[in-house]
Amino acid sequence: DAGVTQSPTHLIKTRGQQVTLRCSPKSGHDTVSWYQQALGQGPQFIFQYYEEEERQRGNFPDRFSGHQFPNYSSELNVNALLLGDSALYLCASSLSGRADYGYTFGSGTRLTVV
Amino acid sequence: GESVGLHLPTLSVQEGDNSIINCAYSNSASDYFIWYKQESGKGPQFIIDIRSNMDKRQGQRVTVLLNKTVKHLSLQIAATQPGDSAVYFCAENIQGGSYIPTFGRGTSLIVHP
Repeated sequence: DAGVTQSPTHLIKTRGQQVTLRCSPKSGHDTVSWYQQALGQGPQFIFQYYEEEERQRGNFPDRFSGHQFPNYSSELNVNALLLGDSALYLCASSLSGRADYGYTFGSGTRLTVV
Repeated sequence: GESVGLHLPTLSVQEGDNSIINCAYSNSASDYFIWYKQESGKGPQFIIDIRSNMDKRQGQRVTVLLNKTVKHLSLQIAATQPGDSAVYFCAENIQGGSYIPTFGRGTSLIVHP
């Protein structure tokens, strides 16, 4: 049973560009959450998607947007990239956003902005 | 060995020793706490959790202690092994609604053979 898969694994972008990261949730999960993890820091919550809608959002600017598809997969889009957006972006999936049904992280996408 | 998460981000121990990783949480309304292990190049992996109506919970080689009075969590790892080397995060969550853990900065555990 595949866990959470994220693509690509690594990405290098130029400041000002736009990027799209992708996440396929674990089989049976319907909720996807995105996190940003800067080097040496804990993951910071960006937003959560459920039933194709953004259900909750963390303290991130509007340059960060997302989408969830009918098959529960999700995308994270970041516009007008800044050097400070360089980080590991993690996706986590769960069933109805509940921890007791398993909250599983992917291995992340390492984004470098130059 | 003992570490206070945010102030001492690295803990070095010898294989076979017991490890204690500490964490101070911030929100007095938090009532669910989780420890995660993150190995290099991987996402966080659930280790053990505890709810606020408990003071202690044991798993396989791991024990979590919760002191709500001083908003403090600790993770004890018995007979630490080289495979335990990783960064450990505590996370807190407020029950009700979706599970969205708030992570601390983390402690790097290095186990020497």
